[in-house]
Amino acid sequence: DIQMTQSPSSLSASVGDRVTITCRASQGISNYLAWYQQKPGKVPKLLIYAASTLQSGVPSRFSGSGSGTDFTLTISSLQPEDVATYYCQKYDSAPRTFGQGTKVEIK
Amino acid sequence: EEQVVESGGGLVQPGGSLRLSCAASGFTFSSYIMNWVRQAPGKGLEWVSAISGSAKSTYYADSVKGRFTISRDNSKTTVSLQMNNLRAEDTAIYYCAKDRAVTRSPFDIWGQGTLVTVSS
Repeated sequence: DIQMTQSPSSLSASVGDRVTITCRASQGISNYLAWYQQKPGKVPKLLIYAASTLQSGVPSRFSGSGSGTDFTLTISSLQPEDVATYYCQKYDSAPRTFGQGTKVEIK
Repeated sequence: EEQVVESGGGLVQPGGSLRLSCAASGFTFSSYIMNWVRQAPGKGLEWVSAISGSAKSTYYADSVKGRFTISRDNSKTTVSLQMNNLRAEDTAIYYCAKDRAVTRSPFDIWGQGTLVTVSS
């Protein structure tokens, strides 16, 4: 099975900072990659699909890139409401594996 | 409004069984793959199982294969997860989630989850 590895596991940044999270697939998955945001105590929310397409209603400070095995989620200007854990997920085929998560905090 | 609502969680002893249900509304249920995703306390998301819109195809994580069975009733717009031979490591919040599109896609609608606790 394909493994999904995120880095870093956690990060702390200041409001307004540019934040980058990476996700690596152990084999190529084309662009079948999604990013989710889970705020503390809340249900996961789809942010990006097809590696770079923003889900409706998601702020434009979020962006995604990549194809094949290497992917990136970028928050262009970190806001207090972005405190959350972010997960990548492959959905090309089963198992639809998630990455282990990246916890984003405000410094 | 598209939504899914889980039910059926609770406390069960190791080796016991539990059946989770997910009631869907607001979309053409039979057109979409439905999924179960779980999250152990303080841990990350783990995809558990999926079922095609026609129910002809089912998929499982290795960790539950042979113990869990997913099914759906398109006439009642419900999807279920029968969990047998439960283990302590199955303790988690179980989420029902809908595929975003009718072809390969991520999950755009999630329920609030139902808590399953496996303990003696």
